[in-house]
Amino acid sequence: SQKIEQNSEALNIQEGKTATLTCNYTNYSPAYLQWYRQDPGRGPVFLLLIRENEKEKRKERLKVTFDTTLKQSLFHITASQPADSATYLCALDKGGGSQGNLIFGKGTKLSVKP
Amino acid sequence: EAGVAQSPRYKIIEKRQSVAFWCNPISGHATLYWYQQILGQGPKLLIQFQNNGVVDDSQLPKDRFSAERLKGVDSTLKIQPAKLEDSAVYLCASSPREGIRETQYFGPGTRLLVL
Repeated sequence: SQKIEQNSEALNIQEGKTATLTCNYTNYSPAYLQWYRQDPGRGPVFLLLIRENEKEKRKERLKVTFDTTLKQSLFHITASQPADSATYLCALDKGGGSQGNLIFGKGTKLSVKP
Repeated sequence: EAGVAQSPRYKIIEKRQSVAFWCNPISGHATLYWYQQILGQGPKLLIQFQNNGVVDDSQLPKDRFSAERLKGVDSTLKIQPAKLEDSAVYLCASSPREGIRETQYFGPGTRLLVL
């Protein structure tokens, strides 16, 4: 069956360290993968999109990798800050000609301690 | 640019009652989505519109849920009758262009509690 797994429900790190979040999937062939941030009581906010033919994407302190062989994406936040504390969702395109139809993981709740 | 607007923000009803949620997408966005997000889960797509046509409603429980997007702008999602398991946050999202895989812009959601 098709599955998306974000391997940690929660991740606690110290300020200044690099946070690494993992998203694994099975039985999909997504054309792209996205990462969103969700704060309590709010809707998800788009952060980064990476396509199947891209290995890595960066935006400021954020970096995403996409390995279609391993069926895995890694999301890194460098020099983490308490303001980075939130739930991070990965989402992938269903593939097979779907038009913008995203499947979301359960999310990883990141807590950055000062 | 104004974001996606949703109302109400909170709703408490008893089971078997009906409820409706409203969404106003970002101006000019062709595609509109309704998601259900149960506590501790990621959003699950219920229905996707392009302009005022339905693209995907395969996960919409059609015996109790209905949605419409009149004139290709605002949308309403209705539940009738509600069940306890419908307690969730209902998120509306929009994206700019038809048939192009785009990032999605989410509203704040409507938190529904069914007692």
